[in-house]
Amino acid sequence: DVKVTQSSRYLVKRTGEKVFLECVQDMDHENMFWYRQDPGLGLRLIYFSYDVKMKEKGDIPEGYSVSREKKERFSLILESASTNQTSMYLCASSLDSVSPLHFGNGTRLTVT
Amino acid sequence: AQKVTQAQTEISVVEKEDVTLDCVYETRDTTYYLFWYKQPPSGELVFLIRRNSFDEQNEISGRYSWNFQKSTSSFNFTITASQVVDSAVYFCALYGDSGAGSYQLTFGKGTKLSVIP
Repeated sequence: DVKVTQSSRYLVKRTGEKVFLECVQDMDHENMFWYRQDPGLGLRLIYFSYDVKMKEKGDIPEGYSVSREKKERFSLILESASTNQTSMYLCASSLDSVSPLHFGNGTRLTVT
Repeated sequence: AQKVTQAQTEISVVEKEDVTLDCVYETRDTTYYLFWYKQPPSGELVFLIRRNSFDEQNEISGRYSWNFQKSTSSFNFTITASQVVDSAVYFCALYGDSGAGSYQLTFGKGTKLSVIP
């Protein structure tokens, strides 16, 4: 069974801090994704990666960056956290573009 | 551009009732994939089904069934004899060409289903 693990379930950070959200998958999947989920807005894609060191912007990349140095790990970075980045962040992976996504449990980030 | 609309924001049903969750999509692509995911209160989204655009057969899996109709661009999800464990947010999603050869997965905003005992 595929497991996608997000390093933190809950995180509280201050405005202006640099924040790292880590995600690891154990099934050798090519693709990895970062989404944010907000009430009434559904899931919105921030960034995705289809290979090591490759990244593509999603629908809302502003204020975020990502890193994929190893196939199993995909990190989301908030260079300078702001209150409007308070949200639930979901990491996912998939074998290929049309395969189902496997999601982690999510990280609820609060920026104060 | 492609779009997925789940018009029902929240639905409440009494246990054992049947319930249908609507999903309407828009795409110019002729080859695309449709998905349903379930997000229980624990938070982790779970894959339920995938359908490609060339397969319009309806599917049944236990109490769950899906009705795919290309003519109306809909991929509706029915739960028969609902149970409290079905309480969750359900997302419909579309994978296809969102424009200029850019393929991506687009989610609807989700439908929150509450099954009351």
